[in-house]
Amino acid sequence: DTEVTQTPKHLVMGMTNKKSLKCEQHMGHRAMYWYKQKAKKPPELMFVYSYEKLSINESVPSRFSPECPNSSLLNLHLHALQPEDSALYLCASSQLYTDSQETQYFGPGTRLLVL
Amino acid sequence: AQTVTQSQPEMSVQEAETVTLSCTYDTSESDYYLFWYKQPPSRQMILVIRQEAYKQQNATENRFSVNFQKAAKSFSLKISDSQLGDAAMYFCACFYSGGSNYKLTFGKGTLLTVNP
Repeated sequence: DTEVTQTPKHLVMGMTNKKSLKCEQHMGHRAMYWYKQKAKKPPELMFVYSYEKLSINESVPSRFSPECPNSSLLNLHLHALQPEDSALYLCASSQLYTDSQETQYFGPGTRLLVL
Repeated sequence: AQTVTQSQPEMSVQEAETVTLSCTYDTSESDYYLFWYKQPPSRQMILVIRQEAYKQQNATENRFSVNFQKAAKSFSLKISDSQLGDAAMYFCACFYSGGSNYKLTFGKGTLLTVNP
């Protein structure tokens, strides 16, 4: 089973709203990722959590706030977003081995529109 | 730093024919992994195939196979017997597993159209 789930599938929010995106995996993976993807572009890495600790923050604005409550869940809290933040937000997870393949499995994404 | 280049923004193929998507990469690391991901209009990024750099044998997965040329830093994807469901954006990606760097570097993608 290589399933990563994301909710909601679609989200429309105003610039003053606060909302959260959720991601869940039950594959026992110890790394989880948030990506932002604009239309017809590759995904851009935002955050990486490994063993529930933030290990990479790709200089993302503070209006995006990640949270990893446990090894299976990853949230992305949104506040005071701008219209240019409208995009597809992808979550991914991967198992961390020291001497093995490293493959990221992606969820279906949340399509975000900021008005 | 790693870079991945996909020189074909768009490709098309007739149903049942074979198509090859190109990818070149640049990394100074010796231990890395290469991937092809497919993203249909339904948007989910799906793993197509992966290759460990230390393996000389080319990976295959049903109708999908790669031509991995390590010295040339080339990693092309061949799709045989193309099907309508293969139509998608295809991303080539490289991952270096050293240290605490979990970054997957993507190419810009190739949009594949399959004509009936």
